[in-house]
Parts: sequence; structure tokens; C-alpha cells
Amino acid sequence: DTGVSQNPRHKITKRGQNVTFRCDPISEHNRLYWYRQTLGQGPEFLTYFQNEAQLEKSRLLSDRFSAERPKGSFSTLEIQRTEQGDSAMYLCASSLTSGGAYEQYFGPGTRLTVT
Amino acid sequence: SQQGEEDPQALSIQEGENATMNCSYKTSINNLQWYRQNSGRGLVHLILIRSNEREKHSGRLRVTLDTSKKSSSLLITASRAADTASYFCATVPSSGSARQLTFGSGTQLTVLP
Repeated sequence: DTGVSQNPRHKITKRGQNVTFRCDPISEHNRLYWYRQTLGQGPEFLTYFQNEAQLEKSRLLSDRFSAERPKGSFSTLEIQRTEQGDSAMYLCASSLTSGGAYEQYFGPGTRLTVT
Repeated sequence: SQQGEEDPQALSIQEGENATMNCSYKTSINNLQWYRQNSGRGLVHLILIRSNEREKHSGRLRVTLDTSKKSSSLLITASRAADTASYFCATVPSSGSARQLTFGSGTQLTVLP
């Protein structure tokens, strides 16, 4: 059982640069979620996919953010023209929808620092 | 935005004591879950309680849910230093199919050896 993996674990970038994060969910999970967590707060929902379809996006997800899950397996989250306010931990989680499952399995996160 | 508040924000106890954390939420829920997060790491699912349940146990964990008050509590008995972490409650709404979690702001638990 490899669990949910995220890469990179840490990213330091200069304001205005683009960054891309990758998430590999648990292989049989059809749902994949992205969350953002700032220091001292709980995670906040950004977007989720069921298979390859992006079904919901939070208002937190500005037009500088884009997420994809091209083959219903791994997902990428791209932030364009980064701002200092984008500094946060970006968490990915996956889950099953069958059998009434609701538990989500989280990756270790990617910590983004925008200087 | 956060679903609700957790109380207390921080809790420090001695090893062997019990720790109780409370969570309040705002909307109708399908279920409520508790997660643990060690410093700078991802979250680990601890326990889920459905809206039609009032109490649930898992090992040293006991969760209660009062839907009339929109509140839940997590009790950790006989705490250990390894329980030191942040604890978050998270809710899944009763309507819609998204199932995204809405988290509280968390309780930082420190268990002193």
C-alpha cells in the first residue's frame, strides 16, 4: 500500500513564477481532492475530481489556479503568477465513492513558499 | 471558509490523562470525521460518526455527536506523548454529492511525558 504521494514536498519560488504540484492517489480511488492549509488553520477545499472530471471548484480557486487529472489517475495543480498570499501547504486526498465511503486519505502535502 | 470552531485551540496535559476536544459546526451534515495532523505533515483519518449516531468508540478514542446542538466531542483516554498533534473535526454536508470535507480550525494537543 503506497498511500497518497505528493511531489515536490517543498517548493520555494519567487513571486510571479509559475509552479506545478503533482499528486498520485491510492490506485483504486476514483475521487481526488485538493485542499490548501495556512499556518494555524484547518485545510480549505479547493477542488475535486471524480475520475478525470473536475466536478467542483471553490471560490478560493482563482483563475491563476488550474488543476487537471488527465487519465483519472494522478493530478496536477498549477499556480500561475504566484503571489505571496499563495504561500501555504497544498494537500491532496483521495477516496472511494462506492459502499458509502467518506473517509479521505491525505498525502504529506507540498509546502509552497513564495518570496 | 471554516465550517466552525474547535475548543480549546490548545490543550496541554500530562501523559496518562484524558484529553477532550470539542467541535461546533454550522450546517446539516451527513457525517462528521476527526483527523490528526502531526506537525507539518498530512492528515490521518481517526474516526467517522454518522448523523444518526450519537456515540462511537475506536480504541482509546470516543466521539460523541449532538446534531441538535451541532456539536461533537473527541475524547482520547490514557493519553501518550505520541498523541501530541493537531486534531481537526471535518464535516460532510447532508446535501449534494461532492463529499468535500469542511474543516474546523483545530485543537493543538500537547501531551507531556
